[in-house]
Amino acid sequence: DAKTTQPNSMESNEEEPVHLPCNHSTISGTDYIHWYRQLPSQGPEYVIHGLTSNVNNRMASLAIAEDRKSSTLILHRATLRDAAVYYCILRENSGTYKYIFGTGTRLKVLA
Amino acid sequence: DTEVTQTPKHLVMGMTNKKSLKCEQHMGHRAMYWYKQKAKKPPELMFVYSYEKLSINESVPSRFSPECPNSSLLNLHLHALQPEDSALYLCASSQGFGVTEAFFGQGTRLTVV
Repeated sequence: DAKTTQPNSMESNEEEPVHLPCNHSTISGTDYIHWYRQLPSQGPEYVIHGLTSNVNNRMASLAIAEDRKSSTLILHRATLRDAAVYYCILRENSGTYKYIFGTGTRLKVLA
Repeated sequence: DTEVTQTPKHLVMGMTNKKSLKCEQHMGHRAMYWYKQKAKKPPELMFVYSYEKLSINESVPSRFSPECPNSSLLNLHLHALQPEDSALYLCASSQGFGVTEAFFGQGTRLTVV
């Protein structure tokens, strides 16, 4: 299983953009990059995913490096409700249906 | 309905007890998962069911026994657990084909005494 590496923690001011990095140097050509977040006392929730191109949705944007060895989750305007642990996951497109979580980044949002 | 429902929310059991955790989804998802999460750690994959058949067992001890009675329901039977098995147990589901998102339940907080 390919592995992901994320910083343990990050801080951001409210209303400012946040860039959460993830390294996945052993990614294979068919691995999708998924991001989930886990708010306190809740199960993880899906944020966004992509393969090669940058992706946008109502929650966030995902910027994927050209060599796919790293990606960045972008929260355009952080709010206090975005304080959570953010996980970058490589999802194999091989029919094994594995979602293997890395250590994640704990995001603290300052008012 | 995009919910994965887990019951009970909290469970305290003795080391000689037998108990079961239940997970239900009505999204038509054909892949279902059990994860274990210790405090301040990421979720660890335990089991994956695909089309009601066990497809992945991540070397989980036999005191944890999964069961998928139908496409909407997933159980985790617990027997002779140890205190170190105390954790948050998360259930998830996904479509079962293609690379789509997984939906997670709120988890069952298990304490083994």
